Amino acid sequence: DTGVSQDPRHKITKRGQNVTFRCDPISEHNRLYWYRQTLGQGPEFLTYFQNEAQLEKSRLLSDRFSAERPKGSFSTLEIQRTEQGDSAMYLCASSLHGGGSSYNEQFFGPGTRLTVL
Amino acid sequence: KNEVEQSPQNLTAQEGEFITINCSYSVGISALHWLQQHPGGGIVSLFMLSSGKKKHGRLIATINIQEKHSSLHITASHPRDSAVYICAVRNQGAQKLVFGQGTRLTINP
Repeated sequence: DTGVSQDPRHKITKRGQNVTFRCDPISEHNRLYWYRQTLGQGPEFLTYFQNEAQLEKSRLLSDRFSAERPKGSFSTLEIQRTEQGDSAMYLCASSLHGGGSSYNEQFFGPGTRLTVL
Repeated sequence: KNEVEQSPQNLTAQEGEFITINCSYSVGISALHWLQQHPGGGIVSLFMLSSGKKKHGRLIATINIQEKHSSLHITASHPRDSAVYICAVRNQGAQKLVFGQGTRLTINP
């Protein structure tokens, strides 16, 4: 499968615990995006990377959230001291920046569903 | 900030009916996406367009840049089309997508 993958698909944790999610983009894609989707709503932008550089962060990304893409390939999103309000689907997407017919089209992973008890 | 509004929020139709889902946005954009999300969360990109019209199978997407409006049409709808359809826009000069709240479509046999 050459699509975007995310791990784990589901995570249940207790309030106050730390969690980390991983996203593996399509291999040649240089841009990687994180979104959060709460029940019944459309996704909301969290952050994006071009290669290993984090170029934009949303105000939604509080200081408990950190994202990395150390080698410009996979990315991790960590949430520290989880709160019940963090319960959501965390979606990753990737795109190729730099031309071609798929310029900037984002391809989404299956998401990680987080439940904070 | 771009506001993206979709209508209707929920739509139930019978198999075979012609379906239209609408999307309006408030600020000029560089591209608009139509996405499909099935239960379980996975999102599939259906169309990315910046002008005119695109067609793929039974799906047709149109956009009117002047009116800041796009429509997604499904011809000869089928129960497997049941999903949430999401409109998302990319503002000029930006990279992130701004999403509508989605339209939940149910096609009954």
